[in-house]
Amino acid sequence: DGGITQSPKYLFRKEGQNVTLSCEQNLNHDAMYWYRQDPGQGLRLIYYSQIVNDFQKGDIAEGYSVSREKKESFPLTVTSAQKNPTAFYLCASSQGPGNGYTFGSGTRLTVV
Amino acid sequence: AQSVTQLGSHVSVSEGALVLLRCNYSSSVPPYLFWYVQYPNQGLQLLLKYTTGATLVKGINGFEAEFKKSETSFHLTKPSAHMSDAAEYFCAVSEFGAGSYQLTFGKGTKLSVIP
Repeated sequence: DGGITQSPKYLFRKEGQNVTLSCEQNLNHDAMYWYRQDPGQGLRLIYYSQIVNDFQKGDIAEGYSVSREKKESFPLTVTSAQKNPTAFYLCASSQGPGNGYTFGSGTRLTVV
Repeated sequence: AQSVTQLGSHVSVSEGALVLLRCNYSSSVPPYLFWYVQYPNQGLQLLLKYTTGATLVKGINGFEAEFKKSETSFHLTKPSAHMSDAAEYFCAVSEFGAGSYQLTFGKGTKLSVIP
């Protein structure tokens, strides 16, 4: 079955470390997105990519970086510059405006 | 930029009662509209969508929503709540900006079902 796989499900990071969250899709979707979710704040867009080797900052890109070397993959790196990284991170993909987004199951990142 | 307003961050209903979750959007053109459901520690799952055609849209798990252009609303309903409906629900509208279509999400409504 086609879908989006996010790994790991849970991730613990020490302060000052960079960590990379994986997002892979086999839906052949062109567009991919990363969101951050905090209680009571809904979904906030971090980065998005419409095509391979191209991506744009979302509303809260500071302290994050991404790459899009393959259509199937859109990894997110949470850098040490992100001051409050503890959150639930969601990856999504899309093919066209009328189809909405398909979401992965999320990664919960905790700074220890 | 479009905005999506979900009235009520938390809604409680009794099991078997009507579920009504409200969503209003700002748009000057006919939009694409979506409702998603999220269970704890999971991703968002598409409940239903409106693109064109019939304004009453039926989705999964017995939910439906009606697009009312004059009221810029897309409220989600279910005639009889079940315990398994307890989750967070997000309304979203498709918007064209910066050369691409993106979804703008509401802040979500957490539905509690009381036995």
